[in-house]
Amino acid sequence: GAVVSQHPSWVICKSGTSVKIECRSLDFQATTMFWYRQFPKQSLMLMATSNEGSKATYEQGVEKDKFLINHASLTLSTLTVTSAHPEDSSFYICSASHGAGGSGYTFGSGTRLTVV
Amino acid sequence: GQNIDQPTEMTATEGAIVQINCTYQTSGFNGLFWYQQHAGEAPTFLSYNVLDGLEEKGRFSSFLSRSKGYSYLLLKELQMKDSASYLCAAPEDHSGAGSYQLTFGKGTKLSVIP
Repeated sequence: GAVVSQHPSWVICKSGTSVKIECRSLDFQATTMFWYRQFPKQSLMLMATSNEGSKATYEQGVEKDKFLINHASLTLSTLTVTSAHPEDSSFYICSASHGAGGSGYTFGSGTRLTVV
Repeated sequence: GQNIDQPTEMTATEGAIVQINCTYQTSGFNGLFWYQQHAGEAPTFLSYNVLDGLEEKGRFSSFLSRSKGYSYLLLKELQMKDSASYLCAAPEDHSGAGSYQLTFGKGTKLSVIP
């Protein structure tokens, strides 16, 4: 089945530094990758949609200059949290669609980011 | 846009049956998903309904009524390991470009007690 590998699983960084999260589709081509954020006891909130070779589409309220998304190939998408602050501490999850018309999604295993 | 509602919390007894409801309002319908999520982990796919009716898959079943904008997840023979959040989700094409983003409900936290 379709597998998305997400790294790192958890990361602790100092306030003001940047963190890069990678998601790779292992056995299929992920034309579109979705990035979600989940705060404790809340549901997954879509941050942005990235399409291979083009700029990401960000959801309202998500700072595109802070959350840099790169989708340079059909198997790799990255999310960089720049100048991280404690309020950016969250669970970040990527998801790739692999079915026609929204019929199939595969999630990465998630990244727990803690900014201290 | 999507508006997806489901109860925040439910408690049920080991061995029992529990039904988790979900209502949705969509500008276009592209099916409905149910996911299970344990704390600190990514969601796990449970079911996808695109036609009306009940689909059974082992201890888990999912029902859909498109005319009522309603779905439920039915869990039978509850086990302690079923304690998790259950997320109702629907795909939506925000941009009209053919990429369907999943919009999630807030999730129902199920606690299974002995």
